[in-house]
Amino acid sequence: KNEVEQSPQNLTAQEGEFITINCSYSVGISALHWLQQHPGGGIVSLFMLSSGKKKHGRLIATINIQEKHSSLHITASHPRDSAVYICAVPLSGAGSYQLTFGKGTKLSVIP
Amino acid sequence: KAGVTQTPRYLIKTRGQQVTLSCSPISGHRSVSWYQQTPGQGLQFLFEYFSETQRNKGNFPGRFSGRQFSNSRSEMNVSTLELGDSALYLCASRQGPDYGYTFGSGTRLTVV
Repeated sequence: KNEVEQSPQNLTAQEGEFITINCSYSVGISALHWLQQHPGGGIVSLFMLSSGKKKHGRLIATINIQEKHSSLHITASHPRDSAVYICAVPLSGAGSYQLTFGKGTKLSVIP
Repeated sequence: KAGVTQTPRYLIKTRGQQVTLSCSPISGHRSVSWYQQTPGQGLQFLFEYFSETQRNKGNFPGRFSGRQFSNSRSEMNVSTLELGDSALYLCASRQGPDYGYTFGSGTRLTVV
């Protein structure tokens, strides 16, 4: 069983729709990362959060440490949001962090 | 502020050869980590360096190695290349464990 599970695997939305991507993990963590990967491979770090909620523009990330669950929301989605969204958690040990990644959610936003 | 620079961007190698990839982190970032991305396995952690010391290594064979220099630049080496080593190799840097990662654009390695 993968330690980080994301859903859905694929998501198609109409422009303007509210998007939710979910991430569940099975280990205790200190923080969770949301990443965005566009075609071509470049990865952008969107959020690093350890509790509560963070907002950046139209993106909102929430985390519930007790339930081991995080969500990434996109409000008023736009075609430029089309990308793969990946959540990652660190497996901590010996003072360093080994990121374990979900399989990613491929989002396509249609005009 | 310059981002994380990976060189080369693309590489084609023959089975059995070895390859060295380079990563220059953001100035001031002392932690550099490496990842392999394939269509089948997704993103997988390779190793992390901090102040020239390898802090952690993922589940990869000994053919995969790396190092970090005093200026925080890092290299990873893969010896005796196999077809399955074809992948996008990404590095990321950060200031420390309480900070997010900045990723490079990656090196796309093709083994033929």
